[in-house]
Amino acid sequence: GAGVSQSPSNKVTEKGKDVELRCDPISGHTALYWYRQRLGQGLEFLIYFQGNSAPDKSGLPSDRFSAERTGESVSTLTIQRTQQEDSAVYLCASSTGTGGTYGYTFGSGTRLTVV
Amino acid sequence: GNSVTQMEGPVTLSEEAFLTINCTYTATGYPSLFWYVQYPGEGLQLLLKATKADDKGSNKGFEATYRKETTSFHLEKGSVQVSDSAVYFCALSDDYKLSFGAGTTVTVRA
Repeated sequence: GAGVSQSPSNKVTEKGKDVELRCDPISGHTALYWYRQRLGQGLEFLIYFQGNSAPDKSGLPSDRFSAERTGESVSTLTIQRTQQEDSAVYLCASSTGTGGTYGYTFGSGTRLTVV
Repeated sequence: GNSVTQMEGPVTLSEEAFLTINCTYTATGYPSLFWYVQYPGEGLQLLLKATKADDKGSNKGFEATYRKETTSFHLEKGSVQVSDSAVYFCALSDDYKLSFGAGTTVTVRA
């Protein structure tokens, strides 16, 4: 597609429930990233996928967080047993190559509110 | 590890004023440097970038020069407009991973 698409744009969930966030990267972009942006703060790296290589999961904050990506297509970020501190905007980005030199293209994010 | 420190906000200024947002970094090797902008209600957009020392990135009247000697990448614009009101993020690359500063909120008043 023309840009990185994320869904849903907003999600309100009850504490303890599981949520699944979706990201459609730009067609042809081999690299995909998930970041978290808490209110008034910078972006925290969560996970990185590059083609069929093993993902870099070093930023996932706990084992309640997981992400999958099939090939170079859609990715889903799953948060199990949500907690109030999970409330944030979850941003997905994609890039050609590694993105380290040329930067990423971000989606508009999913605003997650845990009540 | 790599890190980015940018000027704390919020910054409020009048239209046509000069804007500077300071950004310094700590990194091993020679990272690429970026400024991203987030307009109200919108996603992050790449504003400009520089991939090596002394490079100047520029876009929409904004400029930033990669200064290796001072490990800085300050963002400047000579005459801001109300439409420049946004949150600005400085970032550096670590191979594939971008590390971001905390963001600086800029409000431009008419």
